[in-house]
Amino acid sequence: ETGVTQTPRHLVMGMTNKKSLKCEQHLGHNAMYWYKQSAKKPLELMFVYNFKEQTENNSVPSRFSPECPNSSHLFLHLHTLQPEDSALYLCASSQRDRNTGELFFGEGSRLTVL
Amino acid sequence: AQKVTQAQTEISVVEKEDVTLDCVYETRDTTYYLFWYKQPPSGELVFLIRRNSFDEQNEISGRYSWNFQKSTSSFNFTITASQVVDSAVYFCALSEAGNTDKLIFGTGTRLQVFP
Repeated sequence: ETGVTQTPRHLVMGMTNKKSLKCEQHLGHNAMYWYKQSAKKPLELMFVYNFKEQTENNSVPSRFSPECPNSSHLFLHLHTLQPEDSALYLCASSQRDRNTGELFFGEGSRLTVL
Repeated sequence: AQKVTQAQTEISVVEKEDVTLDCVYETRDTTYYLFWYKQPPSGELVFLIRRNSFDEQNEISGRYSWNFQKSTSSFNFTITASQVVDSAVYFCALSEAGNTDKLIFGTGTRLQVFP
């Protein structure tokens, strides 16, 4: 089993739909992250959770709503998205107290908003 | 403000050629970390290296080597004798030493290695 698992791998949704992305890490880490990867742009940090508490919200629109019920699971709830939100959404985890900055990424969920 | 620039959008080489991926960074922090990540076609970014700003020694790991030069704010990555499996997008990233939660990534360089 891979360290960080993301589902679904691909998602197509309309602008009025509500969907969720799921991330699960099997590494025993205590920090989890959502990143957005759009074509020709740097990876953008969206949210950071440490010990289930949100410690970073990088000015993300409210149509993206994260949830971290425990240190192993992270969700990104999506509603009334725009076509420009189409991107690869990457989840990552790390062991924060080691302060190495080494992130372990999942394979991403590719989102297309019609 | 922190910024990472990877000016090379795409590089194509033939197997066994050496290739260097450039990374230039900007920061006002006196202590910081620099990283390289590899993103193969499967999508997940894979950590390759972290370098502390205090340590300007070059590093070699197998066919990979990194050249960190503070004087030019560069952290370049060289693959020697490239292989098809090296084909991927490579990202350079920067963080404050005290806040490794916030990695600032470059736009990436797509490397294609042809047989």
